[in-house]
Amino acid sequence: AQKITQTQPGMFVQEKEAVTLDCTYDTSDPSYGLFWYKQPSSGEMIFLIYQGSYDQQNATEGRYSLNFQKARKSANLVISASQLGDSAMYFCAMREGVRWGFGNVLHCGSGTQVIVLP
Amino acid sequence: KAGVTQTPRYLIKTRGQQVTLSCSPISGHRSVSWYQQTPGQGLQFLFEYFSETQRNKGNFPGRFSGRQFSNSRSEMNVSTLELGDSALYLCASSPGWGTASSGNSPLHFGNGTRLTVT
Repeated sequence: AQKITQTQPGMFVQEKEAVTLDCTYDTSDPSYGLFWYKQPSSGEMIFLIYQGSYDQQNATEGRYSLNFQKARKSANLVISASQLGDSAMYFCAMREGVRWGFGNVLHCGSGTQVIVLP
Repeated sequence: KAGVTQTPRYLIKTRGQQVTLSCSPISGHRSVSWYQQTPGQGLQFLFEYFSETQRNKGNFPGRFSGRQFSNSRSEMNVSTLELGDSALYLCASSPGWGTASSGNSPLHFGNGTRLTVT
């Protein structure tokens, strides 16, 4: 079974509007972390935001926020006030065994291509 | 602080040859992991090194190997190249391994090496 599922292959969003990128995950490990990365056409994966499975509050980083619904095993990324520079591929990823720090294995989704329109 | 540096950026090889890719982690980071990214398979974990020891290995054939040096720099080698090895190879560094704080740390990726096998 897929550990990370991103069901939106691509999205168009108008500049200055908000966009939500969906991510669902599957794990039996109670200690895990969820990450979102942005990959522009240059190829580099840029870390955006992190949510730990034991975190009580949803993570926020500037214009990025993570809508974490543990019971539904979803970790959607919300980008507010989209900018042209936000056009990129976005990946949701999960690391298991976070509490013990063992392993930097990231299970990644297939990504969502976001295109911001002027 | 310099980011993760991967060299070379681009490589073109022919089938049957071998190739070595290099990765220098962020200063102070001691864990290095490697990922293969292809359009069809997404981001796939190859292996992870910490303190010059391989800690985790993904599901790739033995033609893919790696090592880590005492200064945390890492190399990966692919022998007997096949057309299907054409991909973007990403290296990621992380501060540590085996502690709760290292589990919460995001992986920081380099720009990648784009390998084309003809």
